[in-house]
Amino acid sequence: AQRVTQPEKLLSVFKGAPVELKCNYSYSGSPELFWYVQYSRQRLQLLLRHISRESIKGFTADLNKGETSFHLKKPFAQEEDSAMYYCALRGGGSNYKLTFGKGTLLTVNP
Amino acid sequence: NAGVTQTPKFQVLKTGQSMTLQCAQDMNHNSMYWYRQDPGMGLRLIYYSASEGTTDKGEVPNGYNVSRLNKREFSLRLESAAPSQTSVYFCASSEVRRTNEKLFFGSGTQLSVL
Repeated sequence: AQRVTQPEKLLSVFKGAPVELKCNYSYSGSPELFWYVQYSRQRLQLLLRHISRESIKGFTADLNKGETSFHLKKPFAQEEDSAMYYCALRGGGSNYKLTFGKGTLLTVNP
Repeated sequence: NAGVTQTPKFQVLKTGQSMTLQCAQDMNHNSMYWYRQDPGMGLRLIYYSASEGTTDKGEVPNGYNVSRLNKREFSLRLESAAPSQTSVYFCASSEVRRTNEKLFFGSGTQLSVL
């Protein structure tokens, strides 16, 4: 079974502060991991995926297989980062199911 | 390029009524999905279709049926709506022939069952 855990439902930081949204997963094989974001009144959209090792809007996420984690980080939060963030896992290969965590609502205060 | 289109955007039903949520994508994707989004529960997979002609149950399939009408369209049917099915429903599609392919989401259907 594949499972994604986001331990924080709500996270509130001030503008300019570092932010880290936690994600832990459970999967026996080699997972594909993603962060999706939903801004107010917008569609859910991909933020980044672990395979790309990219930085999008200043966010990065590193897959730590030893700790089974894929935490999302940004050194200096901006007000426009306020959104709902979902960590997601796909098992890879012929496994088409994408399993989401329960989400973390990030609020960046001015 | 419309992407993933869902209809209707809003719907109110009485307990026991039936309805079908429609979803179409114009990206020639093989895989399509239905999720429901509830506060504190995140997105939960209801059904998915890996390719035309196939459907599989997700985490919360009870009370729902799906039809993969063709490659473009994937509908979700509530045969006898219950208040527990009050939720926001999202359709999504992806091309998973390539690994790590992302999902494209529709704008959602807000359903209330009274």
